[in-house]
Amino acid sequence: QVQLVQSGAEVKKPGASVKVSCKASGYTFTSYGISWVRQAPGQGLEWMGWISAYNGNTNYAQKLQGRVTMTTDTSTSTAYMELRSLRSDDTAVYYCARVNRGVSIGESWFDPWGQGTLVTVSS
Amino acid sequence: QSVLTQPPSASGTPGQRVTISCSGSSSNIGSNYVYWYQQLPGTAPKLLIYRNNQRPSGVPDRFSGSKSGTSASLAISGLRSEDEADYYCAAWDDSLSGPWVFGGGTKLTVL
Repeated sequence: QVQLVQSGAEVKKPGASVKVSCKASGYTFTSYGISWVRQAPGQGLEWMGWISAYNGNTNYAQKLQGRVTMTTDTSTSTAYMELRSLRSDDTAVYYCARVNRGVSIGESWFDPWGQGTLVTVSS
Repeated sequence: QSVLTQPPSASGTPGQRVTISCSGSSSNIGSNYVYWYQQLPGTAPKLLIYRNNQRPSGVPDRFSGSKSGTSASLAISGLRSEDEADYYCAAWDDSLSGPWVFGGGTKLTVL
């Protein structure tokens, strides 16, 4: 079955970087993109960015531009999200999700999702 | 402040029908499809409705979605205790807010 499995929880100090992995299985990795979504404690979902597993093209949320980098390793069907200069308000559960597309550019949805990775930023 | 607006909470008794609204604008819901995700306590979100009103396989037909203009709704009929969860609407946004935007989420309580 289609599955995304993420790396384990991380604890980082302010100013540090974190890199979360998302290993895909059960489908052709390069046929879909991967998006990253985060959820701060008790808060809603925030879209962070997208990467094409086909050609590596990316699109990042404006507020994270310059601090986030998304990459893929097609040899291992794994996507990565690196966030730098961490702050306390980056504490959140980070999810990867496969992006499914229809005919039009606005026709896309996230399914399935990874199990989530808790990143805690604390001094 | 989320781009899409949802009520923070909703509630109902077992067997009842409840609806959750999602309000947007011409750059998102008004011109693109709406999607709904269910997040059970302590778990990752799960796709519930896609393309406004389509259910993925495995989602009971008690769940239905609709869209009109710049608003959308999720309806749950025959409410069950296991429906207690957070529900999020989402859409593609053609403006600088996008491309993907979410509602703030609605916590559904089954009384």
